[in-house]
Amino acid sequence: QVQLVESGGGVVHPGGSLRLSCAASRVIFRYFGMHWVRQAPAKGLEWVAFISDDGSINYYADSVKGRFLVSRDDSENTLYLQLNNVGPDDTAVYFCARRYCGAASCHLDHWGPGTLVTVS
Amino acid sequence: DIQMTQSPSSLSVSVGDRVTITCQASQDIKTYLNWYQQKPGKAPKVLIHDASTLAPGVPSRFSGSGSGTDFTFTISSLQPEDIATYYCQQYDKFPPFAFGQGTKLDIK
Repeated sequence: QVQLVESGGGVVHPGGSLRLSCAASRVIFRYFGMHWVRQAPAKGLEWVAFISDDGSINYYADSVKGRFLVSRDDSENTLYLQLNNVGPDDTAVYFCARRYCGAASCHLDHWGPGTLVTVS
Repeated sequence: DIQMTQSPSSLSVSVGDRVTITCQASQDIKTYLNWYQQKPGKAPKVLIHDASTLAPGVPSRFSGSGSGTDFTFTISSLQPEDIATYYCQQYDKFPPFAFGQGTKLDIK
């Protein structure tokens, strides 16, 4: 069973920085692209960032572009999200999720339980 | 950017009801549309991918249909454990990998 566990959340001041981690177990991490998705309190899901299986392709939501950085360490089976210059709108639970691609398209087949970031 | 418009935003339902949720894309996304279920305090879970393919272990009362810009998600006979919020997500033209706004089901 694939397990993803996020960590690194907490309270951060406006303008501050934080690094989130997503540890993967029981999975060949290096073969999968990974996403970060966040959910503000009582709000819907918002896609944040993607990194390809080899780390060569990154995508970001406009709301975080230039402030957040996604990276991965395949030797440690760990995904990261560096949050810089945070603001109140970045307060959310941050989920990491694995991308699974079939013959036609892709979907997010495994998710971590999330880590809460509070900007205050 | 592609916008995903999901409706309704909330629905009051009874056990045994047939439930239908729609998702409209602002551009043609072929069948590259996924549906997720999220229960309070939990991570989302994929139910349907590629518009109509049931994910492993998902009960057959869940189904999806559609292509192009218009998609439908159906629960044929609502069970108590289906009370949750449901989201569509497009996976054709990205970024962004946009989600719909969500549909929250509650008991009537």
